[in-house]
Amino acid sequence: DIQMTQSPSSLSASVGDRVTITCQASQDISNYLNWYQQKPGKAPKLLIYDASNLETGVPSRFSGSGSGTDFTFTISSLQPEDIATYYCQQYDNLPYSFGQGTKLEIK
Amino acid sequence: QLQLQESGSGLVKPSQTLSLTCAVSGGSISSGGYSWSWIRQPPGKGLEWIGYIYHSGSTYYNPSLKSRVTISVDRSKNQFSLKLSSVTAADTAVYYCARVCFSSGAFDIWGQGTMVTVSS
Repeated sequence: DIQMTQSPSSLSASVGDRVTITCQASQDISNYLNWYQQKPGKAPKLLIYDASNLETGVPSRFSGSGSGTDFTFTISSLQPEDIATYYCQQYDNLPYSFGQGTKLEIK
Repeated sequence: QLQLQESGSGLVKPSQTLSLTCAVSGGSISSGGYSWSWIRQPPGKGLEWIGYIYHSGSTYYNPSLKSRVTISVDRSKNQFSLKLSSVTAADTAVYYCARVCFSSGAFDIWGQGTMVTVSS
């Protein structure tokens, strides 16, 4: 199975800050990586697919990059409504697997 | 607008079988290019993918749960179901159903989730 490791596990930032989360795969997964946002008590929401493609309707302050084993998720200017936990997910090999999550808080 | 809605027992006794159904509305479960998945999330923890089914009925289960999981589809009712046998407290979680886009492997539409507690 492919293991996905996110860092940091938690992050505190101020409104307007640039925020970066990394996700590392235990083996090469090309660009077969997606990113999700989960707010408390809600289902996850797809933000980025295929490592860098923005899902329809998602604000452009969210972006993703990377390929192979190392990936980055960025919020260019943090907004109060971005407070959530973020997950990466690989689909190169079954079983699909998720990172452990990064909890983002406002400083 | 496609929507998914989970339903089923919220409390299951240890060693019994957990049963959940996901009703699909606003679209057909037989649409090509998608599979239909179950994912779970223990309280305060991360996401675990359980498995998927295609409208044809073909399935794939996470090896970590494979011996206890059955996912089935009822095309006439436009729904799919999850059965998890021999449950323990470790199976206590919010269970989500979701549509998976075949080309991107992305879970693009999710149900709201349903909490299942395993307790005597």
